[in-house]
Amino acid sequence: ETGVTQTPRHLVMGMTNKKSLKCEQHLGHNAMYWYKQSAKKPLELMFVYSLEERVENNSVPSRFSPECPNSSHLFLHLHTLQPEDSALYLCASSQAFPTGDYGYTFGSGTRLTVV
Amino acid sequence: QKEVEQNSGPLSVPEGAIASLNCTYSDRGSQSFFWYRQYSGKSPELIMFIYSNGDKEDGRFTAQLNKASQYVSLLIRDSQPSDSATYLCAVNRDYGQNFVFGPGTRLSVLP
Repeated sequence: ETGVTQTPRHLVMGMTNKKSLKCEQHLGHNAMYWYKQSAKKPLELMFVYSLEERVENNSVPSRFSPECPNSSHLFLHLHTLQPEDSALYLCASSQAFPTGDYGYTFGSGTRLTVV
Repeated sequence: QKEVEQNSGPLSVPEGAIASLNCTYSDRGSQSFFWYRQYSGKSPELIMFIYSNGDKEDGRFTAQLNKASQYVSLLIRDSQPSDSATYLCAVNRDYGQNFVFGPGTRLSVLP
């Protein structure tokens, strides 16, 4: 375990389904992130929460809806997804800036397949 | 121009050799630079970070930064088969929370 736990590890869902991805961090960090990793593409930042407020939303379609109820938990609610949304979804946490030698700690990811 | 560029590889080196991974970035105002390693099917893990021009060494790993040339590299000495992975370069513009990742370079260390 890296200190950032994601569930489920794998998810197959139909285009009409609604599901949620969960992320929990036990590191005392106060910033959390959702990233999408597709084959042969760079990691794409989706959402950033700092001190439980959303500070970044990189033009992500509304079928993805984040929720951050507290500094330890982050959700990504999914509905009416498309097959091209199939990817590895990574949660990460860090200390909010400006601090010293920080970086992300990633969770293990959720492999999502939309059928 | 892509913000962070890396050769996709694969970069193949024999066991015991030095592996050299390169990364260039477009935003001259970038402040901090990170290297992550990602094994197949796993999540990225932080290897090193560097803020200042020059070299930074940590065990078998050395990060090199040249802000004038907008270039950051990672050297892996005495490469091992267990170093075979994809190496991601990440650049942070303003010590904030918005990192830009490169596409990664796949390294293969041959026994």
